[in-house]
Amino acid sequence: DTGVSQDPRHKITKRGQNVTFRCDPISEHNRLYWYRQTLGQGPEFLTYFQNEAQLEKSRLLSDRFSAERPKGSFSTLEIQRTEQGDSAMYLCASSLFSGRAEAFFGQGTRLTVV
Amino acid sequence: QQPVQSPQAVILREGEDAVINCSSSKALYSVHWYRQKHGEAPVFLMILLKGGEQKGHEKISASFNEKKQQSSLYLTASQLSYSGTYFCGTEHGKLIFGQGTELSVKP
Repeated sequence: DTGVSQDPRHKITKRGQNVTFRCDPISEHNRLYWYRQTLGQGPEFLTYFQNEAQLEKSRLLSDRFSAERPKGSFSTLEIQRTEQGDSAMYLCASSLFSGRAEAFFGQGTRLTVV
Repeated sequence: QQPVQSPQAVILREGEDAVINCSSSKALYSVHWYRQKHGEAPVFLMILLKGGEQKGHEKISASFNEKKQQSSLYLTASQLSYSGTYFCGTEHGKLIFGQGTELSVKP
């Protein structure tokens, strides 16, 4: 298994454009998380899935953010009408749902909104 | 709801020890510890479970006080490779992380 992979690794976009990121979790992992991280801060929770079901979305997240996990496999995170404040590292992590399992992170997608 | 870590930063000489603390306002079922080096993804170190079970790195130890809703990570005889930012994560359904503790080990 190659671990959690994210694509693209870097994205530069103009303000107002839409962007979509992809995460491929470890194949047997049924839990998938999305986080946002800015310099000097911890990973900020955005949303998470148990198989294809989205269990929770951060209340801090605007309606411009949406995530899907069709068929409980890969996941996509879309940001519509990007703003400069969206510039950050977007991290995906996956784990086995057991409440007793570690999460494995992908290398992240660095978004820069200009 | 976010766990609180202390201290925010630590500077050590190689071979010295350090303790990083993590506390939560909610009852904890498990505590996760991760280390992140600059420009890299967080890497799993250890998970501590309610009831005393632990899984993780052989050279790192940690404690979990369920009653006080606290966990501590013990780094002994630090090496240069221990430098990085350490995060604790607490699980209440979702996994959420503290703000991090930046550890610098100097020769």
